[in-house]
Formats: sequence, C-alpha cells, structure tokens
Amino acid sequence: KNEVEQSPQNLTAQEGEFITINCSYSVGISALHWLQQHPGGGIVSLFMLSSGKKKHGRLIATINIQEKHSSLHITASHPRDSAVYICAVKAETSGSRLTFGEGTQLTVNP
Amino acid sequence: EPEVTQTPSHQVTQMGQEVILRCVPISNHLYFYWYRQILGQKVEFLVSFYNNEISEKSEIFDDQFSVERPDGSNFTLKIRSTKLEDSAMYFCASNIRLEQFFGPGTRLTVL
Repeated sequence: KNEVEQSPQNLTAQEGEFITINCSYSVGISALHWLQQHPGGGIVSLFMLSSGKKKHGRLIATINIQEKHSSLHITASHPRDSAVYICAVKAETSGSRLTFGEGTQLTVNP
Repeated sequence: EPEVTQTPSHQVTQMGQEVILRCVPISNHLYFYWYRQILGQKVEFLVSFYNNEISEKSEIFDDQFSVERPDGSNFTLKIRSTKLEDSAMYFCASNIRLEQFFGPGTRLTVL
C-alpha cells in the first residue's frame, strides 16, 4: 500500500465547476505539499500545509491531521487549470525527503 | 523571485555513458535534493544533501549515482554508467525551511 493515496486518479470537469482532489496518507507527517505539474513536466509548488487551511486565488487547501487527509479545491475552474496535481508529504520519521502520491490528472473543458 | 534552475533541459545519451545533471539551487537555501520521475510514474526521492554531505538516500541511489556541490552554487547529479531504465525526468529541489522549491527538470533519455 502506498503511503500517499490520491483520488480520483483522473478528473474531467466543465469550465466553472468546483473541483476537489483528495489525498490520504498513512504516516505521521510534519508537512504536506500540493504541487502542480504541467504537460511539459515542470513542478510548481502550490501549497505547503501543516495544519488548517490555506487559500491562494481560486485554490484552497485543507488538512485534517487527525484523519490523515487533505483536500485541494479549485473554485470556478478554467481550462488553464488542466494539469496533474500531486500530493507529497514530509514524514516525521524520514528526514527531509518528500513522499509523493501518484497524482490526479485534471482536465477542464471549455 | 529566486528560482531553482537546471541544465540541460534535455539530455540524450548512449547506454553506458556518464552523464552529469546540473542544478543551481536558490542561493540562501541549505538543503538540496534530487528526485526522479519515470514516464507515467510518480516522483521518487533519490538523495538529500546538507552541509556538504549526503543526509539521506533511497534504495534507488546506488553506486552508479553520486552528488556534489563543487563550488558553493552548483549541485550536480552524476550517473556513472547509464542504463536504459535511467531514462526519466530528474528534478532538483532546495529549501531552507519546510517548503521545497523545484527546478524545471532535466529529461534524460538513454538509448
């Protein structure tokens, strides 16, 4: 079983829809990252969370440490949001390395 | 805004050849990492580097791999004798606190 599980694996939405991507993890963590990967391959950090909720523009990330679960929400989705969204955790017992989920491929159609 | 840079963006090499992938981390960062992503798979940790030495490495990071910070700004990953299965995207990252910043990646193709 992977330490970091994301759902769904693939998500197709219509422009304007509210989107939620989920991440569950099985280890104690000190931080959780949400990352965005575009088709060219580059990775951009969206959020780093250790508790609570963060908001940046149309993106919102939440984390529930007790339930070992985080969600990434996109409000008023747009075709330019189409990308792979990756959850990655820094486990408490694994130094500073990140452990990555498989990613969620999001496609937003106009 | 400061960013992590990587060169080259794409490297093609023959099996058995040595390659060096280069990274320039953000200047005041202290921790440096290499990750790789085989096409269609998730990103995997290779190695972390702090205070001029390896602080952690994965089982992937065998004797064929080495890292170096030769001049205080560059951070390199060397693969001594490349194999077909080394074909992947290699990402460098750096941080000073918890948040890691990623470079754009080097796509390595081994023929």
